[in-house]
Amino acid sequence: NAGVTQTPKFQVLKTGQSMTLQCAQDMNHNSMYWYRQDPGMGLRLIYYSASEGTTDKGEVPNGYNVSRLNKREFSLRLESAAPSQTSVYFCASVSRGEFSTDTQYFGPGTRLTVL
Amino acid sequence: AQSVTQLDSHVSVSEGTPVLLRCNYSSSYSPSLFWYVQHPNKGLQLLLKYTSAATLVKGINGFEAEFKKSETSFHLTKPSAHMSDAAEYFCVVSSMDTGRRALTFGSGTRLQVQP
Repeated sequence: NAGVTQTPKFQVLKTGQSMTLQCAQDMNHNSMYWYRQDPGMGLRLIYYSASEGTTDKGEVPNGYNVSRLNKREFSLRLESAAPSQTSVYFCASVSRGEFSTDTQYFGPGTRLTVL
Repeated sequence: AQSVTQLDSHVSVSEGTPVLLRCNYSSSYSPSLFWYVQHPNKGLQLLLKYTSAATLVKGINGFEAEFKKSETSFHLTKPSAHMSDAAEYFCVVSSMDTGRRALTFGSGTRLQVQP
């Protein structure tokens, strides 16, 4: 049982390049989330998926797209990377989608630098 | 809207002395509150959570927090700091007022433990 896994762990992009961050969970959780973490700002929600087949915008969705490929996988895509997207990205999942009480399990993060 | 304020960005204590990390929250509805810990270059791990049961919540590694509705606070404490407690700590709130299906993070408190 690996929990929440993310790939890659590190990535350097040039401005304008595209890439996809992968996330998978093996806990049979319904809901999955993408956050970004910037110094002094905690974590901010980019997108979430309450269940397979649904996605919704979070607090900072601009410049990103997501795909809930199946129940296990939730990917985050940067179509045209910008330096402002330099950040650490975390994926998380929660079992019943009851975000108010359920624990969110986090992946180890992807450190992205955009030059 | 809900919000979280962590009153100290950095706290430094000596090993064996008490730890106090302060958190105030704002929410229109009865909130659920969490403390997460993040060790360097790692993901986030849940320390404890409050979900309207007992106001004094015990977590892992000897940490506990007390929910005080009148003070809108959820401070994290530990009687005796250990070197391994050095990390960043996030206070998190979740409630129904925004309908957003995710968590609102504080900006974090970095705990240093001196030998």
